[in-house]
Amino acid sequence: DAGVTQSPTHLIKTRGQQVTLRCSPKSGHDTVSWYQQALGQGPQFIFQYYEEEERQRGNFPDRFSGHQFPNYSSELNVNALLLGDSALYLCASSGRTNPPYEQYFGPGTRLTVT
Amino acid sequence: DAKTTQPPSMDCAEGRAANLPCNHSTISGNEYVYWYRQIHSQGPQYIIHGLKNNETNEMASLIITEDRKSSTLILPHATLRDTAVYYCIVRSNSGNTPLVFGKGTRLSVIA
Repeated sequence: DAGVTQSPTHLIKTRGQQVTLRCSPKSGHDTVSWYQQALGQGPQFIFQYYEEEERQRGNFPDRFSGHQFPNYSSELNVNALLLGDSALYLCASSGRTNPPYEQYFGPGTRLTVT
Repeated sequence: DAKTTQPPSMDCAEGRAANLPCNHSTISGNEYVYWYRQIHSQGPQYIIHGLKNNETNEMASLIITEDRKSSTLILPHATLRDTAVYYCIVRSNSGNTPLVFGKGTRLSVIA
């Protein structure tokens, strides 16, 4: 049973560029949440997707957008990259209708903006 | 903002019990206490959760005080592989709500 997978593992981009990160949820899960983790900090919630729609959003600007596909996989897009966007981006999957809604995290994508 | 307070770091001797405290004095009646840990360069890993009763699983035990204002995560026989940052999270039970992480406790298990 495959767990949560993310790609790529590492990525280096230049300020102003755009980036797309990908996530495949754990088998049987239909909800994907994205988190940003800056160095030395705990993860911060970006948004959550269920039934191909954004359902909840944290305090992140519109430069951060996402998508969920019919197979429940998801993408995180960040436009107009800033140096401050350098972080570990984590994807977590869960079952929407299965309490207690444990979230299972992937290994993350390390994004470096230069 | 996180609704929990944890010490920034702790040490524990290998083979001994590690007791990680967490204060959550503003917890509401419908909020659970969750614990996750993050080993260096990996994604957070779910450990355990509870509402008001003590809970135990194969990884750890969770002791919640009667007034629910604090809790303790217990790793009964810590190993070097338990070295990680441990996050205590208070979370509503009304649906699949986001996890709100603080800075956690960095546990170092020493041989």
